[in-house]
Amino acid sequence: GIQVEQSPPDLILQEGANSTLRCNFSDSVNNLQWFHQNPWGQLINLFYIPSGTKQNGRLSATTVATERYSLLYISSSQTTDSGVYFCPAGGTSYGKLTFGQGTILTVHP
Amino acid sequence: GAGVSQSPSNKVTEKGKDVELRCDPISGHTALYWYRQSLGQGLEFLIYFQGNSAPDKSGLPSDRFSAERTGGSVSTLTIQRTQQEDSAVYLCASSLQFAAEQFFGPGTRLTVL
Repeated sequence: GIQVEQSPPDLILQEGANSTLRCNFSDSVNNLQWFHQNPWGQLINLFYIPSGTKQNGRLSATTVATERYSLLYISSSQTTDSGVYFCPAGGTSYGKLTFGQGTILTVHP
Repeated sequence: GAGVSQSPSNKVTEKGKDVELRCDPISGHTALYWYRQSLGQGLEFLIYFQGNSAPDKSGLPSDRFSAERTGGSVSTLTIQRTQQEDSAVYLCASSLQFAAEQFFGPGTRLTVL
């Protein structure tokens, strides 16, 4: 099945800094999403992006499907951005998502 | 509109007891998924429903785990004879259709003593 690798595993920022999170996947995907898991454990949808580029406020994401990677850009980070970021991918097997280990982001005031 | 809901939010049980976890998907979503999140295994897929049928049960860890979905809506995940290694957060997700964007519920935290 698909394997997902995320980098970096941990990221510590000062408020206002920009960051880039990366996700590599091992096979063709028909689903790729970015989630933010907040401190209460809720998975919050950021992007549904099996290919292309999307932007939502301070966040944007790009998936280059032919090269099997996706990037999440966070600009002007805020303390509320802290948490774990996941980029699960789904292949042809019924759309189930395979998760990587996530990137733990900590934003200090 | 209402998101995915799960109940109970927390469940503490004794080893050997059976538990039932419930998921109410977003109205109109035909696809429903169960995942679990544990410290040792990360976030892993358990089972997928399309309507009331489960074409992919490949993630169920043992025959103590079963799930059903009725009326193309509510789903129940049942764990029989619980073991301590079953302790985890069980998450449910739904999507409009196969391979569409998935939306997750808040999860049920299961603790087996």
